[in-house]
Amino acid sequence: QVQLVQSGSELKKPGASVKVSCKASGYTFTSYAMNWVRQAPGQGLEWMGWINTNTGNPTYAQGFTGRFVFSLDTSVSTAYLQISSLKAEDTAVYYCARVYKDIVATINGNYYYYYMDVWGKGTTVTVSS
Amino acid sequence: DIQMTQSPSSLSASVGDRVTITCRASQSISSYLNWYQQKPGKAPKLLIYAASSLQSGVPSRFSGSGSGTDFTLTISSLQPEDFATYYCQQSYSTLLTFGQGTRLEIK
Repeated sequence: QVQLVQSGSELKKPGASVKVSCKASGYTFTSYAMNWVRQAPGQGLEWMGWINTNTGNPTYAQGFTGRFVFSLDTSVSTAYLQISSLKAEDTAVYYCARVYKDIVATINGNYYYYYMDVWGKGTTVTVSS
Repeated sequence: DIQMTQSPSSLSASVGDRVTITCRASQSISSYLNWYQQKPGKAPKLLIYAASSLQSGVPSRFSGSGSGTDFTLTISSLQPEDFATYYCQQSYSTLLTFGQGTRLEIK
């Protein structure tokens, strides 16, 4: 079945780095982009950005540039999120989510709808001294 | 960025109630609106995409409507397993955004 399996919880000290993995199975990895979503304790969902699994080209949301890097290893169908210079406020659950592209054809042309149809279970990153 | 505002932020209801959650976009997003359900300690789950299309496997008591800037998620008859937090999310822009969430609690 289609699933995303994320790496386990991490406890890091401020200033350290962490790399979270998201391994896809049950589908062709390069056919769907991958989103990353952050959820701080007791807070809502925050979209971090996405990576094109065909080209490896990442797009980052405002507030997630500089210390955050999305990458891929297509040979093992895995997406990665690396966070450097960790701060206490990076403490959160990080989710990967597959981006499904739905194409609706009309007489006026094609419309493309994107949504996150498969999610990993999340990786908890705790930053504490 | 497109801002998404949900109302109410929290809601108390009883099993069997009809519940409506509203999501408003800061600009027109046509029907590029998705709804997710999240239970404590779990990953979000897609309920509705393209404003009104029910994701496969989602019970028919869930429905979505709206276009432009105003959208609603309706649960026709609340079940015990529906008590959760609900999020809207726009995909009109390549820079996606979520609403702040609506927490649905048992009355």
